[in-house]
Amino acid sequence: KQEVTQIPAALSVPEGENLVLNCSFTDSAIYNLQWFRQDPGKGLTSLLLIQSSQREQTSGRLNASLDKSSGRSTLYIAASQPGDSATYLCAVRLLGSEKLVFGKGTKLTVNP
Amino acid sequence: GAGVSQSPSNKVTEKGKDVELRCDPISGHTALYWYRQSLGQGLEFLIYFQGNSAPDKSGLPSDRFSAERTGGSVSTLTIQRTQQEDSAVYLCASSSGQMWEVGYYEQYFGPGTRLTVT
Repeated sequence: KQEVTQIPAALSVPEGENLVLNCSFTDSAIYNLQWFRQDPGKGLTSLLLIQSSQREQTSGRLNASLDKSSGRSTLYIAASQPGDSATYLCAVRLLGSEKLVFGKGTKLTVNP
Repeated sequence: GAGVSQSPSNKVTEKGKDVELRCDPISGHTALYWYRQSLGQGLEFLIYFQGNSAPDKSGLPSDRFSAERTGGSVSTLTIQRTQQEDSAVYLCASSSGQMWEVGYYEQYFGPGTRLTVT
C-alpha cells in the first residue's frame, strides 16, 4: 500500500528565507507527483506536477524535484513571503490508477 | 471559465440522518473525483467517475456511502445514516480526462463541503 509522508508537519520561518519541504513515498510505481497548496476554508491549488520521467519542475519561486528511485520529492520555495503561508500537500498518482494518494501536509507560516 | 463548485459549503446534521453533497465539475471535464479530509488525516480517495465507464468505488469506506453522476456532469455523494466519524471536509475534483490534452493529469479541486455530524 502506497504511503506518503511529509516532513516537517509544521514550519515557521521569517520572511525572505529560502525553505525546503520534504515528501517521501513508499512505492516508486507512480505516474506522477503533484504539489498542492491549501488555504484555510478553500480547496486545493495545484502548484507543480512532475511526471515520473522528469527530475524537476519550476514555476516562479517554486522548484520541485523528484527522485523516484529513492521515493523522495522536495519543494523548494525561494525568498518566502507572508502570502506563502498555507498548508502544502504532496500527492502521488499510482500507476494503473486515477486516484491520488496524499500526504498529511506541511503547514507553513511565513512571518513578516 | 468557472472552477469546480460544491454545495453546501457547510452542513450540520444529526447522527442517523442522510445527507447529500453536490459537485459541479468544470464544464467539459469528463473525469470527476471525490476525496475526504478528516481532522488530522490526509486526503483519502473515495470514488472516481470517467465518462460512461463504471466508477471506481474502491475508496468508499462503507456501504452507507454512494455517489452518482448524472448526465456526465453533476455528481452527488450520499451518506446514509450518518455517524460522527463521517465528520470531515468532502472535496470534489475534476480533470479533462482526455489524454491528448495538456493538463490531462491535473486535478482541479473545489472548495469542499464541511460536514459535521452531531
